[in-house]
Amino acid sequence: DQQVKQNSPSLSVQEGRISILNCDYTNSMFDYFLWYKKYPAEGPTFLISISSIKDKNEDGRFTVFLNKSAKHLSLHIVPSQPGDSAVYFCAAETSGTYKYIFGTGTRLKVLA
Amino acid sequence: DGGITQSPKYLFRKEGQNVTLSCEQNLNHDAMYWYRQDPGQGLRLIYYSQIVNDFQKGDIAEGYSVSREKKESFPLTVTSAQKNPTAFYLCASNRARSPLHFGNGTRLTVT
Repeated sequence: DQQVKQNSPSLSVQEGRISILNCDYTNSMFDYFLWYKKYPAEGPTFLISISSIKDKNEDGRFTVFLNKSAKHLSLHIVPSQPGDSAVYFCAAETSGTYKYIFGTGTRLKVLA
Repeated sequence: DGGITQSPKYLFRKEGQNVTLSCEQNLNHDAMYWYRQDPGQGLRLIYYSQIVNDFQKGDIAEGYSVSREKKESFPLTVTSAQKNPTAFYLCASNRARSPLHFGNGTRLTVT
């Protein structure tokens, strides 16, 4: 049973436009959510997180939106740049469990 | 510079042999983790440890073992009981309620 799902395996966006990556979860106990970016043969790097007490968190070009009633979060990248081309993973945790569950990833390609 | 070191980057073993993957961190983090990445399956949690001398099974612990004798170190042994050991293995660490920091991974190939 996959508790964190990223239903789009891939996404292509033109440079300068908005990239929207989506993530759904099934466990209502999750209260901390994170997005990571990963290049091949490297470890994921942390991008942005959000606690369940918020519905939006912004850091530069990256904004994460959380819709608790829909059990859905999204990552917006504006404007998209070719260097953003990578695989993006969302992850979720229930406070205090230390058990971070990851989605299957979405490969973003930003076209110059 | 603080970080997580995984070694070696590439590892080759014959089927039936146990192999141990190293993970060391100098971030003074209490918690450490092992994940496995396979194509199309994202990152799956193998084992995690919140404190020294304590660890818990993740979602796919069968065929793996770990130890946490020191805060800085969390080695993972892939035993011969693991049916599909070829994968990219990632170690991570963090403080409570903060993002995971990942190492650069070890690619294990078993033939």
